[in-house]
Amino acid sequence: EPEVTQTPSHQVTQMGQEVILRCVPISNHLYFYWYRQILGQKVEFLVSFYNNEISEKSEIFDDQFSVERPDGSNFTLKIRSTKLEDSAMYFCASRGLGGTNEQFFGPGTRLTVL
Amino acid sequence: RKEVEQDPGPFNVPEGATVAFNCTYSNSASQSFFWYRQDCRKEPKLLMSVYSSGNEDGRFTAQLNRASQYISLLIRDSKLSDSATYLCVVNSYSSNTGKLIFGQGTTLQVKP
Repeated sequence: EPEVTQTPSHQVTQMGQEVILRCVPISNHLYFYWYRQILGQKVEFLVSFYNNEISEKSEIFDDQFSVERPDGSNFTLKIRSTKLEDSAMYFCASRGLGGTNEQFFGPGTRLTVL
Repeated sequence: RKEVEQDPGPFNVPEGATVAFNCTYSNSASQSFFWYRQDCRKEPKLLMSVYSSGNEDGRFTAQLNRASQYISLLIRDSKLSDSATYLCVVNSYSSNTGKLIFGQGTTLQVKP
């Protein structure tokens, strides 16, 4: 069964450093998303991406964040200068056209900012 | 008002019990509704979509009341493996992005 994959599973970084979180969505999907979940809190939408551009972003997704689909398979989230409060699980998701509009989630990257 | 509101629980029930979770949502433009399951420190996984007519999948039954903006999930004959957090999720197409809006989740602990 096709699945969304994410790397790394855990990233530890120093405050102020740049991190890139990587995702490989399901191959025939066209919509891509990043969500985050701070420990003990709900899952929050960050950004959606369709047709090689951002289609919507939340207030959390400020100038420190960017997304890219550098090739036909990868979808990346970059945080330019990490803050302590960026520590969270970051989930990538993708969905295809039609059907139930289900989004399939990757296993997540746990980001720890020290 | 929160966009999606759930009772966080925890619900502690014995094996074999029937348990019901409720959820309300604030945006009447919401068009798709889901229950996701999340195990500790894992990704959300779709349990079932929720349709206006109500739908059932084995021991799980989901109901939607659009007039009241209310969604429910019923689990019959609870198993130990049902222990998890159940996330009520809505999807608004107002901007055609399909972003998902999650509730806080309701924690279920099934005990032997």
